[in-house]
Amino acid sequence: DAMVIQNPRYQVTQFGKPVTLSCSQTLNHNVMYWYQQKSSQAPKLLFHYYDKDFNNEADTPDNFQSRRPNTSFCFLDIRSPGLGDAAMYLCATSRKPADSGFSYNEQFFGPGTRLTVL
Amino acid sequence: GQNIDQPTEMTATEGAIVQINCTYQTSGFNGLFWYQQHAGEAPTFLSYNVLDGLEEKGRFSSFLSRSKGYSYLLLKELQMKDSASYLCAVRDQYDSNYQLIWGAGTKLIIKP
Repeated sequence: DAMVIQNPRYQVTQFGKPVTLSCSQTLNHNVMYWYQQKSSQAPKLLFHYYDKDFNNEADTPDNFQSRRPNTSFCFLDIRSPGLGDAAMYLCATSRKPADSGFSYNEQFFGPGTRLTVL
Repeated sequence: GQNIDQPTEMTATEGAIVQINCTYQTSGFNGLFWYQQHAGEAPTFLSYNVLDGLEEKGRFSSFLSRSKGYSYLLLKELQMKDSASYLCAVRDQYDSNYQLIWGAGTKLIIKP
């Protein structure tokens, strides 16, 4: 089945120790997103890739970086995690909005990585 | 500013009907989505409205009024597995990449 896969599902790191989260997709979607979601809050968009074009949200801290080496994979790097970075990190994909016949262009989410910072 | 409002929490009884409201104020509008999110899991797509009116999909229906900036999700014949958060999200047509503006979600608690 076509899907969005995230690894690991649970990540524990120490304060200040770099961590990398990964996402892969078999949907062949052009757009990939990274969201941060804290308990009972809306998902907060950190980055998205529109094909190879990288888009950084204005309020995404410099501590967060992202890489998309190819269409299928995307990584989120947290260079120096703080206690406030503990959250669920969600990867999502979608088709390009302009693709004809795909008016929904809904986002498909991976299962998420829950990050704990000690 | 861009804003989406939903009730924080609702409680309903198994077998009953519940309506979850969403109001939005956005620069533009190019569709409204409802997602279901079980605790500790990722959101899953439920419905999409871009024109005014009611869209029905099994036990779930979603309504949109663009002039009022208002939508609701209607859940019928509630089951215990419907206990989840329901997120409303609007696609802003004036965003070059059609990003979604998300509400914080409504936590729905189903009681036997």
